[in-house]
Amino acid sequence: DQQVKQNSPSLSVQEGRISILNCDYTNSMFDYFLWYKKYPAEGPTFLISISSIKDKNEDGRFTVFLNKSAKHLSLHIVPSQPGDSAVYFCAARGGADGLTFGKGTHLIIQP
Amino acid sequence: SAVISQKPSRDICQRGTSLTIQCQVDSQVTMMFWYRQQPGQSLTLIATANQGSEATYESGFVIDKFPISRPNLTFSTLTVSNMSPEDSSIYLCSVEDKDRVYGYTFGSGTRLTVV
Repeated sequence: DQQVKQNSPSLSVQEGRISILNCDYTNSMFDYFLWYKKYPAEGPTFLISISSIKDKNEDGRFTVFLNKSAKHLSLHIVPSQPGDSAVYFCAARGGADGLTFGKGTHLIIQP
Repeated sequence: SAVISQKPSRDICQRGTSLTIQCQVDSQVTMMFWYRQQPGQSLTLIATANQGSEATYESGFVIDKFPISRPNLTFSTLTVSNMSPEDSSIYLCSVEDKDRVYGYTFGSGTRLTVV
């Protein structure tokens, strides 16, 4: 049973436009959500996070929105740049140590 | 953030053999985590390793198949035992980032192919 779901395996966005990556979760015990970015042959790197008591967190071009009632979060990247092309993982923490990950969304930024 | 050195970066192994993956951290950490990413799947937590105690395994993972050592606060190993092609995955170690609430730093991963 997947507790963190990323339903879009891939997303293609034109350079300069907004990229929106979505994530849904089922476990209401999750208290912290994170986004990771992964390039091929590298480990995931932390991008941005949000506590369950907030609905928005912004860091430069990256903004994460959390809708607790819908159990949904999204990552907005604006403007999108070629270096943003990577796999993005949504992850959640709750109770136990370690993270629960989604399957990832492959973001492709087209020139 | 902590820097993690993980090796080997990749390996091709015969079925029935074992492979030990090493993770070295440049600072002392209490907990180290081992994840597996099977092809097309999410990262799945295998176990949490604390120094001086037995690792805690997640549902579906057992010590006989994935023995873990944690001899000190900067080092851990994960062994994949009696391998089968289904064990072909990327294995990653991770530690909590002291500079970031609930942030985790990951090693670069070990890409294992079992033939």
